Amino acid sequence: SAVISQKPSRDICQRGTSLTIQCQVDSQVTMMFWYRQQPGQSLTLIATANQGSEATYESGFVIDKFPISRPNLTFSTLTVSNMSPEDSSIYLCSVDRDNTGELFFGEGSRLTVL
Amino acid sequence: AQSVTQLDSQVPVFEEAPVELRCNYSSSVSVYLFWYVQYPNQGLQLLLKYLSGSTLVKGINGFEAEFNKSQTSFHLRKPSVHISDTAEYFCAVRGQAGTALIFGKGTTLSVSS
Repeated sequence: SAVISQKPSRDICQRGTSLTIQCQVDSQVTMMFWYRQQPGQSLTLIATANQGSEATYESGFVIDKFPISRPNLTFSTLTVSNMSPEDSSIYLCSVDRDNTGELFFGEGSRLTVL
Repeated sequence: AQSVTQLDSQVPVFEEAPVELRCNYSSSVSVYLFWYVQYPNQGLQLLLKYLSGSTLVKGINGFEAEFNKSQTSFHLRKPSVHISDTAEYFCAVRGQAGTALIFGKGTTLSVSS
C-alpha cells in the first residue's frame, strides 16, 4: 500500500496565523487531493492538485485561504491562512497511487486554532 | 459529478443483531464505491471497495456490501454486530475519470449490549 506521510500530525495555532501542511508520497503520482474533516463531520474535498498546474478548488474554498503547492510528483503542501477557530479540523491528503481506483490517505494533520 | 447520500445518520442496534447501513449514489459515469470506518479519535480505515467484477464485496471485520447499479445503491451489511463495531461509517464514490473521492455525511453505528 502507499506510504503517505503528513507533517505536522497535529498542531495548536493562534488565531490569525498561517500553517503549512506537507504531504510526501513514496512514489510519483499525478493527482493529489486535499480534504478537510471538521469535528463531527464527514470529509470535504478542498482541492485537487496536479503537478505543473494550478490547483482546482471546490466550491467554498479559495486559493487565498488555502494556497496549495505541487512542486513535483511526490510532494504537495496546503497552507491554511489567517486561521480562525472555524479552521480547527483534520486535514488529509490523498493520492491515486496505483490507478486501481482506490485513493490512499495520509494519517491527517489535526489543527486546533485558539 | 458524483454525489452520495447516506440515508441514516444514526443506527442504534443491539449486540449480535444484523445491521444494514444504506448508501445511494448518483453519477453519470461508471463509479468506484467504498465504505470507510472511523473509530473515535482515529483515522479513516477502508472497510471494503467495489472497483469492478462481482457485485457482492466482502471486507474486513465481517462486513459486506452489494453494488446495485439499477438502484444506484451500495448498502453495507453485517449479520451480527459487536460492541467494537461502534463507529462512524462513511460511504464514498469516485468516478473513473481520475476524479476525487466524494464522501457521504456518515452514519453513526451504535452497538449496545
